[in-house]
Amino acid sequence: DAGVIQSPRHEVTEMGQEVTLRCKPISGHDYLFWYRQTMMRGLELLIYFNNNVPIDDSGMPEDRFSAKMPNASFSTLKIQPSEPRDSAVYFCASSSDTGTEAFFGQGTRLTVV
Amino acid sequence: RKEVEQDPGPFNVPEGATVAFNCTYSNSASQSFFWYRQDCRKEPKLLMSVYSSGNEDGRFTAQLNRASQYISLLIRDSKLSDSATYLCVVNREYGNKLVFGAGTILRVKS
Repeated sequence: DAGVIQSPRHEVTEMGQEVTLRCKPISGHDYLFWYRQTMMRGLELLIYFNNNVPIDDSGMPEDRFSAKMPNASFSTLKIQPSEPRDSAVYFCASSSDTGTEAFFGQGTRLTVV
Repeated sequence: RKEVEQDPGPFNVPEGATVAFNCTYSNSASQSFFWYRQDCRKEPKLLMSVYSSGNEDGRFTAQLNRASQYISLLIRDSKLSDSATYLCVVNREYGNKLVFGAGTILRVKS
């Protein structure tokens, strides 16, 4: 298996633009997580899904952020409109079961100017 | 108070040294515990799970103290390649919400 695949790897966009980050989890994994990492706040859990259903979105910073998982092999994280403070590395991760190892993608480095 | 707290370091140690990291968590009902490692500009990767009885993997030993809500990681005979950020991770008592500490930076120098 190729592991968790994220795209794009890097994204530079202007303030106010819509940004869509994509993730393909490991096949057979039932859990998918979206994290954001910054120097100031570390690794923050934004939302996680179980069997394509959002379970906990309490970490989503505000209404500008939305996440979907239309099927077991694809998820998106959308920011609309984007702001400079959204600049961070966004990681997607998946795991097969509760309490098991989460495998991370390589991340998307987002810069909003 | 953060749910998972770690000393950010950095810990600067010479090769061959023994170094220990600590982590505390606030949710007493947490069920699963892990140490992840993150290299600079890379994704986090599992280093080891932490079991109630304590566990060892080569030079690495992890301990859990549920009464004190405390997790530790001991690295013996440090190598240059051990330089990284070590993340303490706690899983909630329900669901599968993995909460990460901010990480402890380790720098091993020759």
